[in-house]
Amino acid sequence: GAGVSQSPSNKVTEKGKDVELRCDPISGHTALYWYRQRLGQGLEFLIYFQGNSAPDKSGLPSDRFSAERTGESVSTLTIQRTQQEDSAVYLCASSFIRNTIYFGEGSWLTVV
Amino acid sequence: RKEVEQDPGPFNVPEGATVAFNCTYSNSASQSFFWYRQDCRKEPKLLMSVYSSGNEDGRFTAQLNRASQYISLLIRDSKLSDSATYLCVVTNNAGNMLTFGGGTRLMVKP
Repeated sequence: GAGVSQSPSNKVTEKGKDVELRCDPISGHTALYWYRQRLGQGLEFLIYFQGNSAPDKSGLPSDRFSAERTGESVSTLTIQRTQQEDSAVYLCASSFIRNTIYFGEGSWLTVV
Repeated sequence: RKEVEQDPGPFNVPEGATVAFNCTYSNSASQSFFWYRQDCRKEPKLLMSVYSSGNEDGRFTAQLNRASQYISLLIRDSKLSDSATYLCVVTNNAGNMLTFGGGTRLMVKP
């Protein structure tokens, strides 16, 4: 597709379960970002991938959060042992280096 | 001090009004600046980049003041459809890491 694609668009999970969120960036974009946005709050940086460089994981809130990216393609964000405070929309974005970033529509996660 | 700060608002203005938002940033080596717009329960979308010389796109004007480390967005002749949250975005000196402000909420009333 032409834009950043994320799945699932909505996920309801029980506390303590693991979830995996997927992001398909725009083809050719070397940079990929994950952000979290709680309801009514600002964007919170989680992790940044640039090509084959080591990712910047400085925004991951705990070791329950991890992310992978294979080359310059799909990325998955995994949250283990989900907690209620993990409920948020998880936004993925991609760009060419130093250019405009484009966001996906987000994965809305609700932990019950 | 937050890296990028914005007044959260809300700014409530009548249709046709002119409204301005400011955003301050702490990293003097920041390289690029943007305004994004975010509608309720939607993803952020680029509104405009901000250039050193200032730039205009229709009713929207963006300015950068590097000496004082702030950027501004001016909206003229506000429309109901301008109601949204406006996010200030600043990159680091390498131009690859983006920091978002908390956003300023604008509500344009009839």
